[in-house]
Order: sequence, then C-alpha cells, then structure tokens
Amino acid sequence: GGIITQTPKFLIGQEGQKLTLKCQQNFNHDTMYWYRQDSGKGLRLIYYSITENDLQKGDLSEGYDASREKKSSFSLTVTSAQKNEMAVFLCASSSTFSQNTLYFGAGTRLSVL
Amino acid sequence: AQSVTQPDARVTVSEGASLQLRCKYSYSGTPYLFWYVQYPRQGLQLLLKYYSGDPVVQGVNGFEAEFSKSNSSFHLRKASVHWSDSAVYFCALSSNSGTYQRFGTGTKLQVVP
Repeated sequence: GGIITQTPKFLIGQEGQKLTLKCQQNFNHDTMYWYRQDSGKGLRLIYYSITENDLQKGDLSEGYDASREKKSSFSLTVTSAQKNEMAVFLCASSSTFSQNTLYFGAGTRLSVL
Repeated sequence: AQSVTQPDARVTVSEGASLQLRCKYSYSGTPYLFWYVQYPRQGLQLLLKYYSGDPVVQGVNGFEAEFSKSNSSFHLRKASVHWSDSAVYFCALSSNSGTYQRFGTGTKLQVVP
C-alpha cells in the first residue's frame, strides 16, 4: 500500500497572496493530479502531470501554477488568492493511465480573508 | 465532450433500506466508469469501477453498480444501508484514450435511524 500526504491541512491566506500547496506520494505512481472541490460543483481538474517535469493544464488552470520536480511530489501555487475564496484542494495519483484508480490525499482546506 | 451528471445533490434513506444513487454520463465511445466515496475530512476512495463485460459490477461493502449503454447510466445500489454509509458519493468517467477522470457534482447520502 501507499499514502498521499498533503501539506498543509489548513491554509489561511490574504487577498492577493501567493500560496503554495504540497503533495507527496509513495505509490511510485507516474501520474499526479490536482483537483479543486467546491460545494455543489464536484471536483474540477486544475493541473496534472504524467511524469517528472511534465505539466498539463486541466479545466481550471487559470490562476494556478504547478511544479513536478520529482516523481513523488507535485506542488500547486495559487498565484493570487481571491477574497472570500473557500475550497478544498485534493491531490491524487494513479499509475500511468486515467482509466486506473485514483488515490487521493485528505486535502488542503483554503480560506482567504 | 465528456460529462457526468449526478441529479440528486442529497439523498436520505432509513437504515436497513435499499439505496440507489443515480449517475448519467455523456460520451460517444465506451466509457470507463467509477464510483468513489468521500467520508468527512478525507479524500476519495474507490468503491468500484467498470471497464467492460458484465454490466453489473460488485464493489466494496456490498455496493454494486449497473452500466447501461442505452440509458447512458451507471447507477450505484446497495441492498441494505448502514449508518456508516453516510458520506458523499462521486461518479467519474474516463475515455479509453483519456488523460484524466471527470467527476460529477456528488450526492450526499444521509442514513437515518
């Protein structure tokens, strides 16, 4: 088995601030994903990466940057936090293909004051 | 275009009763379909998945789902729910050449005594 660790668990930021979320996996999976979860809107893909140093934009990439410097880690940066923004960011990984099971971390809960 | 619709945002059932959570998809080819469950303050966990073959697939904890190509549906069922089944359930879709899974908006299940 393996685990996905997301840090921090809770993140409080100020409007306009740049915020970074981190994700580590020990499954040795090739592909990693960042999804945003909003109440009533389900999960929307922000970025994914099929291998080290690869980045692919999802449906919601505007306002975000991502980085995959190692196979085991994938970070997400909110480039300018929006006032009153509240969401949960979920990191996931899978072996190579999207048809395979996704394994999720517990999430980072973001609040912007 | 691919999409997943979960028409019921909330479902309440009595403990011991049967359950059906609905999922409709839009995709012209043969889809890969998934059901995930999310318990409070946790990431998503796979319940079951369908690729091909028998349209009724069995999952963990007594859950099953039935694929219907004619109805573009993949409904989740359980014969007798337990209070511990209270959670949010997500249906997801991937194509055979897809690069990531698309999720529905989720159905929050509440099991009452």
